[in-house]
Amino acid sequence: QQPVQSPQAVILREGEDAVINCSSSKALYSVHWYRQKHGEAPVFLMILLKGGEQKGHEKISASFNEKKQQSSLYLTASQLSYSGTYFCGTSGSNFGNEKLTFGTGTRLTIIP
Amino acid sequence: EAQVTQNPRYLITVTGKKLTVTCSQNMNHEYMSWYRQDPGLGLRQIYYSMNVEVTDKGDVPEGYKVSRKEKRNFPLILESPSPNQTSLYFCASSLGDPGSNEQFFGPGTRLTVL
Repeated sequence: QQPVQSPQAVILREGEDAVINCSSSKALYSVHWYRQKHGEAPVFLMILLKGGEQKGHEKISASFNEKKQQSSLYLTASQLSYSGTYFCGTSGSNFGNEKLTFGTGTRLTIIP
Repeated sequence: EAQVTQNPRYLITVTGKKLTVTCSQNMNHEYMSWYRQDPGLGLRQIYYSMNVEVTDKGDVPEGYKVSRKEKRNFPLILESPSPNQTSLYFCASSLGDPGSNEQFFGPGTRLTVL
C-alpha cells in the first residue's frame, strides 16, 4: 500500500519554509526521500532508518517517527532550485524481497 | 561515470507490437527494478531483481516480463502492448536491499501505445 503524502502541492516564495509529510499504514524500517524535476529522473535526497532519527542535507532535513509511521521533510529558506516533485518511499524491512513503495508525490513550486 | 542507462528514451508503437526497453548499470549493483510513473499515481514498481536469474513481481506486473541474465542488464519486455501501458518508465538500481540503499534511476523511457 502506498504511503500518503501531504500536501499534494504547495507554492512558496523564495526564502519561505516548507514541510512535506509522509504517512504509512504499516510498520516501517526506512523512509527515503527523492526529488524529481520536470522531465528528469528522481534524485536521491536521504534515507532515514528506524530509530527516530533526523537527518540533514544543506537546508533540507527530515525526521522519522517510527511509532507513528510518519516522516517529514523540512525545506528551510527555500531556493528556486528546490522546485520539483518530492516523493517519499517506504520499506518494511531490509530484506532483499521487500520493495520500496513510493507515495504519489508533493509538487513544490518556488516563485521569486 | 556511474550511471543507469535506458534505451530508447522515447517510443511510439501500436497495440500488440512486441517491444523491449533495455536497462544497463555500470555500478555492479545487485538490485534492479522497473517502475512506471503516471500522473497522480507516483512511481509504481513493475518488477524487481535481487540478482542474476532472480526476479519477482512488484505492484503492477500484468502485461510485462523481465529477465536478468547478466548482472548489469535488466530489460523490460512488453509482449503485446496495450494503450493502458502508455507511461513513463524508469529503471533503477541499488547496491543492496532497497530498504537500506539509495536507488539510482535511469533517465526514463516515455512510451506511447496507440
